[in-house]
Amino acid sequence: SSELTQDPAVSVALGQTVRITCQGDSLRSYYASWYQQKPGQAPVLVIYGKNNRPSGIPDRFSGSSSGNTASLTITGAQAEDEADYYCNSRDSSGNPDWVFGGGTKLTVL
Amino acid sequence: QVQLVQSGAEVKKPGASVKVSCKVSGYTLTELSMHWVRQAPGKGLEWMGGFDPEDGETIYAQKFQGRVTMTEDTSTDTAYMELSSLRSEDTAVYYCATVNRSIMITFGGVIVMFWFDPWGQGTLVTVSS
Repeated sequence: SSELTQDPAVSVALGQTVRITCQGDSLRSYYASWYQQKPGQAPVLVIYGKNNRPSGIPDRFSGSSSGNTASLTITGAQAEDEADYYCNSRDSSGNPDWVFGGGTKLTVL
Repeated sequence: QVQLVQSGAEVKKPGASVKVSCKVSGYTLTELSMHWVRQAPGKGLEWMGGFDPEDGETIYAQKFQGRVTMTEDTSTDTAYMELSSLRSEDTAVYYCATVNRSIMITFGGVIVMFWFDPWGQGTLVTVSS
């Protein structure tokens, strides 16, 4: 089955811009969706499709995609953005599965 | 608005089975594609299976085939995930989540998008002797 690869940890200074990436062959066929998870809480959808934000997600969150890489960008990171972020897409290798990336721990300094 | 409420924490012995429920409100279960995702302590999210909106079948991750069964009671709008032959490595928080699907027609062709939203609050299953 396909795999999605994320950097384990990324840090950003308060108010600066950070990009979290996700790489995988399935991203050539499907858009990634992105989830934010804070300790002890269920994941929350932050970006889906080309660059769609669910209601209630701040517009500092945006998504993009190129080739086999999807990116989640936080423009003007806030302290409350410190969390784990996971990408997800459908498997394109022939299995009718969905796959999650390993997650990126974002630290806001 | 869809809301998912899961059953409470469970403690099971190795070799036993566990059945976790996920009650839907705001929509009927037949309108949704319910999936299950688990997260072992300190680890990432792992997709287990769910209802495939593209072919109308329930599919399971190969890792869990033969051990997991996902069912639905449409009379109560409740989904269930049963995992058998439990071992210590199955200790995890189990989430239900609905998969949404959208189709976009572009000059380059048809693009199908999927996303998981909303999620249940999670159910901790502890497997310990």
